Amino acid sequence: AIRMTQSPSSLSASTGDRVTITCRASQGISNRLAWYQQKPGKAPKLLIYGASSLQSGVPSRFSGSGSGTDFTLTINYLQSEDFATYFCQQCYSYPLTFGGGTKVDIK
Amino acid sequence: EVQLVESGGGLVQPGGSLRLSCAASGFTLSTYWMSWVRQTSGKGLEWVANIKEDGSEKYYVDSAKGRFTISRDNANNSLYLQMNSLRVEDTGVYYCARGGLDWGPWGQGTLVTVSS
Repeated sequence: AIRMTQSPSSLSASTGDRVTITCRASQGISNRLAWYQQKPGKAPKLLIYGASSLQSGVPSRFSGSGSGTDFTLTINYLQSEDFATYFCQQCYSYPLTFGGGTKVDIK
Repeated sequence: EVQLVESGGGLVQPGGSLRLSCAASGFTLSTYWMSWVRQTSGKGLEWVANIKEDGSEKYYVDSAKGRFTISRDNANNSLYLQMNSLRVEDTGVYYCARGGLDWGPWGQGTLVTVSS
């Protein structure tokens, strides 16, 4: 199985900050990567698919980049509603696997 | 509005069975792959199974093979997960989600607790 490693596991930031989360795959996955946001008690929400394509309805302050094994989720000008946990997920091969998550909380 | 509503979770003893259901609305179920994804305290988010639009292809995580069966009824806009021989480590929140390889949207989840 492809292992997905996210870093950091948590970070503290302030409203207005730029936040970068990294995801590394244990083998090349082309651009077959998705990012999700999850708030407490809620289901995950798709933010980015195909490594860099913004899901409909997701604010443009979210962006994704990368290919192969290294990927990045960037949140520009962090808003209060962005404090949540973020997960990456590879959709390159079965079994489909997730990273361990990055919790973004208020500094 | 696209909506997915899971049901069927609950408390079951190890070795028992449960059948989860997912009612879909706001879109044509027959045109989408569908999936089950769970969230457990032990493994975090874990994809469990997915099924092609017409049910002709199904894939499972290794831990679910031989125990879980994914199925669908497009005429009744429903997705199912039959879970047999349940283990303590199957405890978690089970989500149905639209899509085969990445997922949006997801249902609100149904809690499965396997305990004696």
